[in-house]
Amino acid sequence: EPEVTQTPSHQVTQMGQEVILRCVPISNHLYFYWYRQILGQKVEFLVSFYNNEISEKSEIFDDQFSVERPDGSNFTLKIRSTKLEDSAMYFCASSRDFSETQYFGPGTRLLVL
Amino acid sequence: QQQVKQSPQSLIVQKGGISIINCAYENTAFDYFPWYQQFPGKGPALLIAIRPDVSEKKEGRFTISFNKSAKQFSLHIMDSQPGDSATYFCAASNQAGTALIFGKGTTLSVSS
Repeated sequence: EPEVTQTPSHQVTQMGQEVILRCVPISNHLYFYWYRQILGQKVEFLVSFYNNEISEKSEIFDDQFSVERPDGSNFTLKIRSTKLEDSAMYFCASSRDFSETQYFGPGTRLLVL
Repeated sequence: QQQVKQSPQSLIVQKGGISIINCAYENTAFDYFPWYQQFPGKGPALLIAIRPDVSEKKEGRFTISFNKSAKQFSLHIMDSQPGDSATYFCAASNQAGTALIFGKGTTLSVSS
């Protein structure tokens, strides 16, 4: 069964450093999402992406964040200058069509020291 | 108004029992209500979803009950099994493809 994959599974970085989280959505999916889950809290929406542009973003997704689909398979989330409060599990999701189910990857656990 | 309130935070059920998790929302524009199941170290996986044009949807041992007037929906797990032990999240969105607003999650433990 096709699945969303994410790399790395864990990343530790120093405050102020840039990080790039990578996702490979399911191959025939057209809509891509990033969510995050701070430890012990609920899953929160960050951004959705379709046709090479952001279609929706939350208040969390400020200028420090950016997304990109650099090629036909990868979807990335960049945090330019990490803060302690960026420590969280980051989930990528994809869906085939706008009205269909979002499938989540296993997540990248980011720890900012 | 964008919140989805979920209860209980944790739930312990005996094997064979019924697990019930409740969610409430305020935004009447929501029209897609999925439930996700998450095991430790894994991403959320869609369990079952409902739209407000029906009051109940059943898939195997899992049933969603939906009360549009009360703006509430619930997940019932019949004949709960130890393998059902996981965290369950309710969610809502304006449409299936837009941002999912998640509840805080319920940790279910099914004792054998």
